[in-house]
Amino acid sequence: GDSVTQMEGPVTLSEEAFLTINCTYTATGYPSLFWYVQYPGEGLQLLLKATKADDKGSNKGFEATYRKETTSFHLEKGSVQVSDSAVYFCALSVGQGGKLIFGQGTELSVKP
Amino acid sequence: KAGVTQTPRYLIKTRGQQVTLSCSPISGHRSVSWYQQTPGQGLQFLFEYFSETQRNKGNFPGRFSGRQFSNSRSEMNVSTLELGDSALYLCASSPIGEGNSPLHFGNGTRLTVT
Repeated sequence: GDSVTQMEGPVTLSEEAFLTINCTYTATGYPSLFWYVQYPGEGLQLLLKATKADDKGSNKGFEATYRKETTSFHLEKGSVQVSDSAVYFCALSVGQGGKLIFGQGTELSVKP
Repeated sequence: KAGVTQTPRYLIKTRGQQVTLSCSPISGHRSVSWYQQTPGQGLQFLFEYFSETQRNKGNFPGRFSGRQFSNSRSEMNVSTLELGDSALYLCASSPIGEGNSPLHFGNGTRLTVT
């Protein structure tokens, strides 16, 4: 079945460090791919998305490229801030019906 | 534009009881889906409603049910509560629930079963 695998956390970085969170997927169809972020006590917020191969999603300095050949959608940011501390979820959607399949989440902690 | 609103924010129930959670989607959104979030199982899809019809369902027992009203508001019901039902329940909406359309999540209802 369809699945998403994320690198395990927690990840601890110093401010202005480079961030990579790995995400790979397995899907039988042609999924759309998403990164969501969850701050403490809140629901999930869309960070970025890509709907077809080689698409690059970007938002707030974060980027991820849909790589069909490696079935990956790694999240990157060149210089993290303390305010980026949160849990990040990679997710895929195949077909309609509001169903997302999520990875297990990666907790990021950025220290000043 | 108001976001997705879930009520209540917190609930404490006893084993064997039942509970109803409410979700008001973003105005104009007709698709509402529900997720359960736990530390052990992560985020799991419960079901999705569109135009008052359940269109998609996850792998949860029949104790978990839902419905959607004509104004797109949705409720989720859990009967005969078990300790393992303690979780954060998230509601999400989207215009028509297309696969490439992102979901907009509420802040969730934290259910504790004692």
